[in-house]
Amino acid sequence: QVQLVQSGAEVKKPGASVKVSCKASGYTFTSYGISWVRQAPGQGLEWMGWISAYNGNTNYAQKLQGRVTMTTDTSTSTAYMELRSLRSDDTAVYYCAREYYRAPLDYWGQGTLVTVSS
Amino acid sequence: DIQLTQSPSFLSASVGDRVTITCRASQGISSYLAWYQQKPGKAPKLLIYAASTLQSGVPSRFSGSGSGTEFTLTISSLQPEDFATYYCQQLNSYPLYTFGQGTKLEIK
Repeated sequence: QVQLVQSGAEVKKPGASVKVSCKASGYTFTSYGISWVRQAPGQGLEWMGWISAYNGNTNYAQKLQGRVTMTTDTSTSTAYMELRSLRSDDTAVYYCAREYYRAPLDYWGQGTLVTVSS
Repeated sequence: DIQLTQSPSFLSASVGDRVTITCRASQGISSYLAWYQQKPGKAPKLLIYAASTLQSGVPSRFSGSGSGTEFTLTISSLQPEDFATYYCQQLNSYPLYTFGQGTKLEIK
């Protein structure tokens, strides 16, 4: 069965970086992409960006350009999302989700809470 | 960027009611629209894709319709487990996907 398992909760200080992992299993990792979505406390879903696990191509939400980097390690079927220069409004639950060209996000990770606080 | 506007943002209803949530796109997106259900503390769950196709395992009381710029999600007879927040997502402008702001469905 398809599973996406994310790394554990993080607490970071403003200005620091965080790297969240998402380990995939149950499907051919390189046949799909991974989207990252975040949700601030009490707020809606915000699409952050996408990475192709096939060739590493990426596309990021404009508001995060320059601060976010998404990568994959095909040897371990793991995707990573790194966010730099953290601010308090980056406090959110971060989700990874499996995606395919113009297809919906059909499997999601369990979410990783990132708290940014001094 | 394509914007999605859901209405209403909050909806109060009773078990057994029929409810409809609307999602409007700022430009045409054909049928590239999905609906998700999210319960507190959980990841979103895919309900409908391609505007009207029910995801496997989703109860038939859920249905979707629309194309172009206007879409609806209908729950024909609300069950207690349906009280949650619902989001639409456009898949037309690959890979720059966006979500609607959400509709919180509460028990009256």
